[in-house]
Amino acid sequence: KQEVTQIPAALSVPEGENLVLNCSFTDSAIYNLQWFRQDPGKGLTSLLLIQSSQREQTSGRLNASLDKSSGRSTLYIAASQPGDSATYLCAVEGVWDNAGNMLTFGGGTRLMVKP
Amino acid sequence: ETGVTQTPRHLVMGMTNKKSLKCEQHLGHNAMYWYKQSAKKPLELMFVYNFKEQTENNSVPSRFSPECPNSSHLFLHLHTLQPEDSALYLCASSQGGVQTGEQYFGPGTRLTVT
Repeated sequence: KQEVTQIPAALSVPEGENLVLNCSFTDSAIYNLQWFRQDPGKGLTSLLLIQSSQREQTSGRLNASLDKSSGRSTLYIAASQPGDSATYLCAVEGVWDNAGNMLTFGGGTRLMVKP
Repeated sequence: ETGVTQTPRHLVMGMTNKKSLKCEQHLGHNAMYWYKQSAKKPLELMFVYNFKEQTENNSVPSRFSPECPNSSHLFLHLHTLQPEDSALYLCASSQGGVQTGEQYFGPGTRLTVT
């Protein structure tokens, strides 16, 4: 059974800092990995999707890397802003326990960027 | 706006009530999902419909009953729920097929069971 872990669970940084969020998964047989953002009480917004054959994806100030063999992904946020404050979730898609395609989520990192 | 809408946004129901959650996607996708987000727990997949066929039922109690009448609409029928079922219920959609592809989420329905 796939397990996804995100470290740290919470992070508070001053505005302008570059920061790294970590995600690890136990089963490397994945199709892709997605990073999401969730604002309080809201749904999820997809930030980046990395296919299993890719090493990284970039969108604006966000850069996500994937090392499938070691079961790790990082989300790098450059020059953080107060508007980046949210919970960041990573999720991997794969097939486990003959259950068909499944997206398994980590517990999230709650980010607070202080002005 | 992600192209996925959910109604109602908030719902309070008693344990003996019957209610339904509705999800609609305007993205031309063929796969739809129900997720449950409880406090202090990772997001949990409940049901998957791929081309209107239910392909996943992640050991969800029978008091939750999904319905997918077409590829644009997904319902979650609720009856005789328990207080521990209080959570944020999220709907998502994706292209579908062998790999589900990037998932787009709705805003969620905040459910409180009293």
